[in-house]
Amino acid sequence: DVKVTQSSRYLVKRTGEKVFLECVQDMDHENMFWYRQDPGLGLRLIYFSYDVKMKEKGDIPEGYSVSREKKERFSLILESASTNQTSMYLCATRKGRLQETQYFGPGTRLLVL
Amino acid sequence: AQSVTQLGSHVSVSEGALVLLRCNYSSSVPPYLFWYVQYPNQGLQLLLKYTTGATLVKGINGFEAEFKKSETSFHLTKPSAHMSDAAEYFCAVGPRLWGSNYQLIWGAGTKLIIKP
Repeated sequence: DVKVTQSSRYLVKRTGEKVFLECVQDMDHENMFWYRQDPGLGLRLIYFSYDVKMKEKGDIPEGYSVSREKKERFSLILESASTNQTSMYLCATRKGRLQETQYFGPGTRLLVL
Repeated sequence: AQSVTQLGSHVSVSEGALVLLRCNYSSSVPPYLFWYVQYPNQGLQLLLKYTTGATLVKGINGFEAEFKKSETSFHLTKPSAHMSDAAEYFCAVGPRLWGSNYQLIWGAGTKLIIKP
């Protein structure tokens, strides 16, 4: 079974803080994704990576950056947290092509005060 | 442009009743269609998917969905609801060309409420 772990389930940060969310997978999946989940908006893609050190912006990259130095690890960075970044953040992985299954982590619920 | 619409942000059914969650999409190419489920305090997991072949797709936990090209729909059904089906369900469609890659478009989600 694919396992996707996220560094924190719940996180509370102050406005202006730099926030790191980490995602680790235990399978050899090329693709990794960061989504933001908000009520009524579904999942919105922030960034994705299809290989080590490769990254592409998704639908809502503003205010975020990512890092993928190793295949199994994909980090999401909030450079200067703002209250409108309060949300649920989901990491996902996928091996190969688009029609393959995405595997999700349990999510990190971030509250920015 | 591709899009996906899930009708109803909340659907309530009685235990034992038919579950019907609606998903309509628009796509200029043959679509890949997915249903994912999110149980409380968990990540999403795949329920079922259509990529090619048989248009009636069976998934886990007794769910199934039928790809109807003429109606651009991929509705999710289950004959008899169980309390454990209470969750949020997401429909997703691809391929969406994004830069040099392809991505999915996600619906807004439907929360399924099961009444005892």
